[in-house]
Amino acid sequence: AQKVTQAQTEISVVEKEDVTLDCVYETRDTTYYLFWYKQPPSGELVFLIRRNSFDEQNEISGRYSWNFQKSTSSFNFTITASQVVDSAVYFCALKGGNNRKLIWGLGTSLAVNP
Amino acid sequence: DTGVSQDPRHKITKRGQNVTFRCDPISEHNRLYWYRQTLGQGPEFLTYFQNEAQLEKSRLLSDRFSAERPKGSFSTLEIQRTEQGDSAMYLCASSPTAGNGYTFGSGTRLTVV
Repeated sequence: AQKVTQAQTEISVVEKEDVTLDCVYETRDTTYYLFWYKQPPSGELVFLIRRNSFDEQNEISGRYSWNFQKSTSSFNFTITASQVVDSAVYFCALKGGNNRKLIWGLGTSLAVNP
Repeated sequence: DTGVSQDPRHKITKRGQNVTFRCDPISEHNRLYWYRQTLGQGPEFLTYFQNEAQLEKSRLLSDRFSAERPKGSFSTLEIQRTEQGDSAMYLCASSPTAGNGYTFGSGTRLTVV
């Protein structure tokens, strides 16, 4: 069975704080892909990153960084120096093996206050 | 081609009516997906097309739901005899290959009254 757990339902921070969104996944597949999406109030899901199971290098993109650790089945997402525009729901998702569909977490609602 | 387009953005319908939504994927993408999302939940998979072939359907897709992608380009999702439980955001996504990230449209928000 495949599962994605985002234990943090809601996070509230003050602008310029760093914040980490947790994602833990379960899969028996040896080849799989992990994703993060952002869903602002407008509703559109915005693709942020894809990581395949063979690439454990951490990635940094501007204020965003991702920490992939297979040993703990985690794929955490950190926003550095958060801004009000970062306020959104963030989803972690998993696509395993030959599966065609994404398995989604329940999302973490991030509120960045001025 | 600027992304995945969905039409309409919002639809309010009376219970028992039929509704149809349209999705225009990114033109180079041969894979197209429909998902449904309710408040406070992540998207739930409904169905998947590779070109014009519908290769997978979720058990969530009851007999009242049907999806088509007749020429391997745009897709339609029809819900017959709508029920209040059908109220949700219906999301369409496309991707060029199996492992790439999906590009999602803005969704169609359906409200059944």
